Amino acid sequence: GAGVSQSPSNKVTEKGKDVELRCDPISGHTALYWYRQRLGQGLEFLIYFQGNSAPDKSGLPSDRFSAERTGESVSTLTIQRTQQEDSAVYLCASSPTSGTADTQYFGPGTRLTVL
Amino acid sequence: AQSVTQLDSHVSVSEGTPVLLRCNYSSSYSPSLFWYVQHPNKGLQLLLKYTSAATLVKGINGFEAEFKKSETSFHLTKPSAHMSDAAEYFCVVSDSGGGADGLTFGKGTHLIIQP
Repeated sequence: GAGVSQSPSNKVTEKGKDVELRCDPISGHTALYWYRQRLGQGLEFLIYFQGNSAPDKSGLPSDRFSAERTGESVSTLTIQRTQQEDSAVYLCASSPTSGTADTQYFGPGTRLTVL
Repeated sequence: AQSVTQLDSHVSVSEGTPVLLRCNYSSSYSPSLFWYVQHPNKGLQLLLKYTSAATLVKGINGFEAEFKKSETSFHLTKPSAHMSDAAEYFCVVSDSGGGADGLTFGKGTHLIIQP
């Protein structure tokens, strides 16, 4: 079946511009996660959605970052007034529920470069 | 609180020799533990997971890991390395009843396979 998809795969933008990244989770998965992976580093949690509950935004690094999810489907991560330190690969993952034993299925990521 | 320590940032082995990637964790609860692999320019893929069943877990591509509670370890092994195993490997612990707060990624181990 179809896995998690993300678009665009690559995005180059100028400092100060806004960008929007999209994630399509696996159908039926109620939990959706966004992570950031800077070059040569591990994953940094950004935000988490579980069903129709309020999202856990505890990982967002600044108020320039926001995310939305429509029901249990598509999610968009928006970065306003991008800065060079925002350059990273942004990964989305989904899982059937939010249980500790649930496997997270990752998308291929969006590579963001801020010039 | 929980944490993950991947003891080696880089591991280099010759093709056909055993692989050992070390991971230690700390957890206040009964954890679930995962190993993910990330090949260059590809998404994260689950190798295997431990969820309180058998302590020796077999995964894909000949990898296995053993959960040792007394040593708080979850080392990843493979008897014979293949060139295609060259990738970044992440150890992940999940223990707080679900949600993104319960997921902690290690910083990763870069596995290099020498011909």
